[in-house]
Amino acid sequence: DAGVIQSPRHEVTEMGQEVTLRCKPISGHDYLFWYRQTMMRGLELLIYFNNNVPIDDSGMPEDRFSAKMPNASFSTLKIQPSEPRDSAVYFCASSKDSFRGEKLFFGSGTQLSVL
Amino acid sequence: AQKITQTQPGMFVQEKEAVTLDCTYDTSDPSYGLFWYKQPSSGEMIFLIYQGSYDQQNATEGRYSLNFQKARKSANLVISASQLGDSAMYFCAMREGRGGTALIFGKGTTLSVSS
Repeated sequence: DAGVIQSPRHEVTEMGQEVTLRCKPISGHDYLFWYRQTMMRGLELLIYFNNNVPIDDSGMPEDRFSAKMPNASFSTLKIQPSEPRDSAVYFCASSKDSFRGEKLFFGSGTQLSVL
Repeated sequence: AQKITQTQPGMFVQEKEAVTLDCTYDTSDPSYGLFWYKQPSSGEMIFLIYQGSYDQQNATEGRYSLNFQKARKSANLVISASQLGDSAMYFCAMREGRGGTALIFGKGTTLSVSS
């Protein structure tokens, strides 16, 4: 399997612009997670989906952030408008199940820089 | 309250020595899983080892072992015979019970291995 695929790998944008991050989970995985990593806050869960349905979006920082999963093989995380404090590495991860022993498989991450 | 605590921001070890990375957790759920991930400077998240709350024996995976002390709520990672390639950030994480919960991560420990 190709693993979790994220694009772009790097994104540099100016404050106020719309940013869209993309993720393709591993085929057959029913759970998809979006995390954000910063030096100050570490790895934070933003939102996760089960069978394309958002289950918990309590980690989404504010209304500027939105996430969708239109089908089992694609998800997007959108920031509109972007701000410099959104600069971080955004990871997408997937897992087959939610059982306590089910590990997450991570994509390579998107390094976002908002100038 | 923090669910996963990693108190060592940085650790230093010489090649071929063993090192222990600390992790304590907080949960009232009797069913949970504990994970360790490695993040090298390239940025990807690599799964290392898993311990279930009902597992009687400590988990081992090659040079990695997990010192699980349930009563103390600690799940320390032990790396034996350190190698230069072990230099990375290490994250402890927990997944509670069943029902669609995500991995909650600690802030991480940076391990530096010197020759």
